[in-house]
Amino acid sequence: NAGVTQTPKFQVLKTGQSMTLQCAQDMNHEYMSWYRQDPGMGLRLIHYSVGAGITDQGEVPNGYNVSRSTTEDFPLRLLSAAPSQTSVYFCASSRDSPTTYNEQFFGPGTRLTVL
Amino acid sequence: AQTVTQSQPEMSVQEAETVTLSCTYDTSENNYYLFWYKQPPSRQMILVIRQEAYKQQNATENRFSVNFQKAAKSFSLKISDSQLGDTAMYFCAFGLNYQLIWGAGTKLIIKP
Repeated sequence: NAGVTQTPKFQVLKTGQSMTLQCAQDMNHEYMSWYRQDPGMGLRLIHYSVGAGITDQGEVPNGYNVSRSTTEDFPLRLLSAAPSQTSVYFCASSRDSPTTYNEQFFGPGTRLTVL
Repeated sequence: AQTVTQSQPEMSVQEAETVTLSCTYDTSENNYYLFWYKQPPSRQMILVIRQEAYKQQNATENRFSVNFQKAAKSFSLKISDSQLGDTAMYFCAFGLNYQLIWGAGTKLIIKP
């Protein structure tokens, strides 16, 4: 199993550009999520999905869109990049909700810089 | 709203020593889960240990154990016989309703 994969590993954008961060998992997990990690702060949940076709907002959803058309994939779209979106982004998945006994598996992260 | 506080931004100990990382949280809920995750320099986030709030017995995973004090809303992590590979950021997280709320982390350095 590849686990949770994310592409790209690094990305530099200019203000106003759009892009999609890709996330895929091969563990047949129902729950997937996107976090951002900023210096001096813990992870903050952006969006999550409890299954194909179902998504919901987390703590910091503004400026980001998600969709879940398949169990495997959960892309994160930045509509119009802003410098405040400079961060490290992590995708994670778990068999069911990670807020119970299910272990959450994380991807390697994408370091995004918005100039 | 739930909050998680880790009051120690950085700690360092000698190899083989025991170290305790602190975590406090605030919630009005009664049933929830608490977690400790580790993020080594590779940046890969790894689950260390988890605790169900309704279980009074403290969770243990090999050299890692927790001291869960529900009334005090405290959830500390004890690492025994620390090893160089334990050097990492450690995050405490509170889980409820499909969402994890994370503390800011403690940077732990194990010195040889």
